[in-house]
Amino acid sequence: GAVVSQHPSWVICKSGTSVKIECRSLDFQATTMFWYRQFPKQSLMLMATSNEGSKATYEQGVEKDKFLINHASLTLSTLTVTSAHPEDSSFYICSAAEGLSSYNEQFFGPGTRLTVL
Amino acid sequence: KQEVTQIPAALSVPEGENLVLNCSFTDSAIYNLQWFRQDPGKGLTSLLLIQSSQREQTSGRLNASLDKSSGRSTLYIAASQPGDSATYLCAVRYSNYQLIWGAGTKLIIKP
Repeated sequence: GAVVSQHPSWVICKSGTSVKIECRSLDFQATTMFWYRQFPKQSLMLMATSNEGSKATYEQGVEKDKFLINHASLTLSTLTVTSAHPEDSSFYICSAAEGLSSYNEQFFGPGTRLTVL
Repeated sequence: KQEVTQIPAALSVPEGENLVLNCSFTDSAIYNLQWFRQDPGKGLTSLLLIQSSQREQTSGRLNASLDKSSGRSTLYIAASQPGDSATYLCAVRYSNYQLIWGAGTKLIIKP
C-alpha cells in the first residue's frame, strides 16, 4: 500500500524557535497533501491543504504566517512552525493523496509530536 | 454544519467480548466513511473504508456497517483482545476532499 513518512517523529524545542516537519510520499506522487493537528484527547483538525506547486489553503483560524507550508515537489511537503510557543505543542499528522480528484483516498503519516518548552 | 459524533467516548470491556462502536454524522451526502485506530502517542492505522454505495466492510474480526439514511456507522469487534485497546476514530469524507473527524472512542480491553 501507499506509504507516507514524517520526519522527525518527535521534536522538543525552545519557545521562539522555528521547527520544520517533513512529510514524504514514498511510493506514489502526492498531488495533494494535508496537514492536521491533534491536541490531547481531541480529534484531528485539518490545518491546511496543499497542492503541488501552489500555495496552501488554510482552514479558518489557522495562521498562515505561523504555519508555513511548502509543497515544492510531488513527494515532499513541509510544515514549518515559526516562533513556536508552548501552545503550539501538539501532534501533527500529514496525509497525502494521489491525483487531483477529490475522491482519491488519503494516506496518513505516522505523526510528529512537537513539544515547545 | 457537518459533524461527526462518536459514542461512547470511552469503553472498557473484558477480553473475549464482542463490542460495537458507534459513529453518527449529520450530513448524509457522504462519499465514504473510514474507521481508524490510534495507539497512544502514535499515528493512525486505517482499519476499514466503506464507500457510500456499500453497506458493510469486513476485515478479520472487524466489521463496519454504514447506513447513510440514518447517518450512522458501527464498528463491530468480535472476540476482543487486549491488543485491541486503542482509540478508534471515525472519519467521514464529503465530495470536497475534507475529512470530518469524530472525537474517538477510547477502548480498553481488560485481560
